[in-house]
This record gives sequence, C-alpha cells and structure tokens, in this order.
Amino acid sequence: ETGVTQTPRHLVMGMTNKKSLKCEQHLGHNAMYWYKQSAKKPLELMFVYSLEERVENNSVPSRFSPECPNSSHLFLHLHTLQPEDSALYLCASSHDRVSPLHFGNGTRLTVT
Amino acid sequence: EDKVVQSPLSLVVHEGDTVTLNCSYEVTNFRSLLWYKQEKKAPTFLFMLTSSGIEKKSGRLSSILDKKELFSILNITATQTGDSAIYLCAVTNAGGTSYGKLTFGQGTILTVHP
Repeated sequence: ETGVTQTPRHLVMGMTNKKSLKCEQHLGHNAMYWYKQSAKKPLELMFVYSLEERVENNSVPSRFSPECPNSSHLFLHLHTLQPEDSALYLCASSHDRVSPLHFGNGTRLTVT
Repeated sequence: EDKVVQSPLSLVVHEGDTVTLNCSYEVTNFRSLLWYKQEKKAPTFLFMLTSSGIEKKSGRLSSILDKKELFSILNITATQTGDSAIYLCAVTNAGGTSYGKLTFGQGTILTVHP
C-alpha cells in the first residue's frame, strides 16, 4: 500500500472512446502529478497540480485532460487517443515542492 | 533541457554479488537527486541526495552524490533475488516554475539470479 491509489489497474479502449483515470492520495499531500511511462523511455511528467491549481502541463496533447477537484483526488480524462498513447500512467503526490514523490501502482492503458 | 543518463541499462548478477549503478546528470539550478526502485508498478522512494560526499545508507543499499562531477552512484551489497527491479534516478530543478518536477533517467534493469 503506497498511500496513493489508482483505478482502474488496467484499461483497454478504442480510439473513439472516452474514459477517465482516477487517483486518490491518503497522505495529506499538497501536490499531485500525472506521469507517463512508455516502454524503454524515461518517465515523463504530464501535469502538476498544487493546492488545486495546475502548475505545469508540459505541452501534453489536448486529448489528455486533467481534473483536480480537491487536494486528495486527481483525474485524467481521455478521449480520441492514439495507439502510441498506450503506456503505464502513474499518479504521484508530494507534501511540497522539495519532498520526494510517492507513486501509485499505475494504470496500464492499451489503446486499440 | 535537464538530462539524466543511467548506466548500465541492464545488469545480471548472482545472489551475494555487489553492484554499482551509475547516474550522471545535467540540470540548470540543481536541487536534489533521487533514487527509486520499481518492481512491478509503483516506483518506491529510496534516497534523496542534496549534498556532495555525504553517503546515505539503508540496509544493504547506499548512495552518494558528487555535485562537482555531476553524478551519483547506488551501491547494493550482498544482492538478493528481491533486489531485482528497475532502478530509476531522477533530478529536480530548483527553478521557480518547476514545482516538484522530476527529470528521470531511463533506468537500470537489475536481475539477480539465485
């Protein structure tokens, strides 16, 4: 148990589907993150939310849409994805800008 | 652009061996270097290093940072099969807009055989 819970664990979706990934942290942290981990590539930061405000989005395509309703919950809304978006999507949280990140177990996404 | 390079990319050893994993980096306005272990899914935090020459130790694992030469090493002594994992190195930038942003290396895949 990492204190960061992601659902679903696995997701298969077609290119025309709309789905959402969910993340919840039970650590009382103030910032939450979405990372993408593709095969043989370093982890890539997608979005950062601090105190419910988006801080960075790193030029992620608009087919990925984050939502952070409060400091404990983070969503990633997906629509019209491409096969190259298939990856492990990791959520993380941290207490502040200098503390280590705590990761969830990720959602393994396959786009067909 | 910040950059992290890890070596080797993969390593196969036998139980009881000692391994050294390398991480070199280029980052503007360095804040810290972190090591994570990723077994199945979630990367789990191992160490955070901010000062040169001070070894951090946890059981059989230890790590040290050299801010002059811009690298860090992660040592694992008396390896066990449970040490098999991907070891990730990441750096943080102290720049004002990079709230908690980590730049990761590609990882070292360690396999420990019985």
